[in-house]
Amino acid sequence: KAGVTQTPRYLIKTRGQQVTLSCSPISGHRSVSWYQQTPGQGLQFLFEYFSETQRNKGNFPGRFSGRQFSNSRSEMNVSTLELGDSALYLCASSLDPLNNEQFFGPGTRLTVL
Amino acid sequence: AQKVTQAQTEISVVEKEDVTLDCVYETRDTTYYLFWYKQPPSGELVFLIRRNSFDEQNEISGRYSWNFQKSTSSFNFTITASQVVDSAVYFCALRVNDYKLSFGAGTTVTVRA
Repeated sequence: KAGVTQTPRYLIKTRGQQVTLSCSPISGHRSVSWYQQTPGQGLQFLFEYFSETQRNKGNFPGRFSGRQFSNSRSEMNVSTLELGDSALYLCASSLDPLNNEQFFGPGTRLTVL
Repeated sequence: AQKVTQAQTEISVVEKEDVTLDCVYETRDTTYYLFWYKQPPSGELVFLIRRNSFDEQNEISGRYSWNFQKSTSSFNFTITASQVVDSAVYFCALRVNDYKLSFGAGTTVTVRA
């Protein structure tokens, strides 16, 4: 069974631009969560989607948004990029929100110049 | 609010030594789940173990073992006879109900040959 895939793996953007990251969950998994990892703040929860609906949202500004499609694939978007948005963005999938076993993808490393 | 503390920032050992990673958690909920994840240099978080709050049995899986003590709110992780391949960042995490994973800051383990 293929694992969680994230594209692209690496991305370089400049301040003010916007970016879209993609996550394909494990086949059959319907819940997708996103996390941001930085050296200063560690791993922080961004949001969680299930059945195309956002169930939970972390403490991030409105520049961070996401969505989930009917095939459970998810995208997250960051608009008006700031230098502090440079991070590793990790996606995790699980069968459903009540299932506690989350499987993580390799992440997308975003660098904002 | 939930909080996970990993007091050890870095641990360096020589191969074949045992290493214990400390994890202390805080939550007011009586039902919760505790996790350990390994993050090798590639960046992907690898699931190691999940423990629910009602199961205080210690667990051993090969060279890995976990000691869960509700009385001290701790969920410590021991690697026995460490190997170079164990070098990674290890995260302890807490999940209450079906909400987000709250991660500790991580402990970097370096195993020297």
